[in-house]
Amino acid sequence: EAGVAQSPRYKIIEKRQSVAFWCNPISGHATLYWYQQILGQGPKLLIQFQNNGVVDDSQLPKDRFSAERLKGVDSTLKIQPAKLEDSAVYLCASSLNRGYSPLHFGNGTRLTVT
Amino acid sequence: DQQVKQNSPSLSVQEGRISILNCDYTNSMFDYFLWYKKYPAEGPTFLISISSIKDKNEDGRFTVFLNKSAKHLSLHIVPSQPGDSAVYFCAASQNYGGSQGNLIFGKGTKLSVKP
Repeated sequence: EAGVAQSPRYKIIEKRQSVAFWCNPISGHATLYWYQQILGQGPKLLIQFQNNGVVDDSQLPKDRFSAERLKGVDSTLKIQPAKLEDSAVYLCASSLNRGYSPLHFGNGTRLTVT
Repeated sequence: DQQVKQNSPSLSVQEGRISILNCDYTNSMFDYFLWYKKYPAEGPTFLISISSIKDKNEDGRFTVFLNKSAKHLSLHIVPSQPGDSAVYFCAASQNYGGSQGNLIFGKGTKLSVKP
């Protein structure tokens, strides 16, 4: 079974620039998550999709962050404009939508904003 | 306000001995608890989970214990191996009418297993 795929692995941008991350979940996983992990912290949820609908985006900074999941499969997360405090690892995860199902994470994208 | 707390940032254990990683939570509505292991430059890998109807779950060398009254869970690794050296995250979620809510993570504990 192929895991969660993310790209790019690393990205360095200047503040006020824009950036986009891509995620392809495990086949058959209806639920997709984007997490932000700042150095020394645990991952924090940004947005949760169920198929192509948003379930929870309460912690997404909507003035600069946006995400979409067209056709209920791949997803993109965009930051525009980026701030220094956005430097973090952005993790995508997916899970089955039934009962108690663990989340399976990709390797993440490490973003550095200078 | 941290709902999931891992109060030990690091733990060092000798190979072959037991590693015990602890986690406390504050939200009594959490009903599903997980442990993830993370190596550098990789995403968290699911290790073991437990639902609130159980107090123990075992998978090979890994056992998770849940004490609901104390809002505490622990991960036991026996025997510890150098390959277990990683950051371990405790996570919890709440089930909303059959749909699982998102995971709330602790800050992690870095385990070092010395040969």
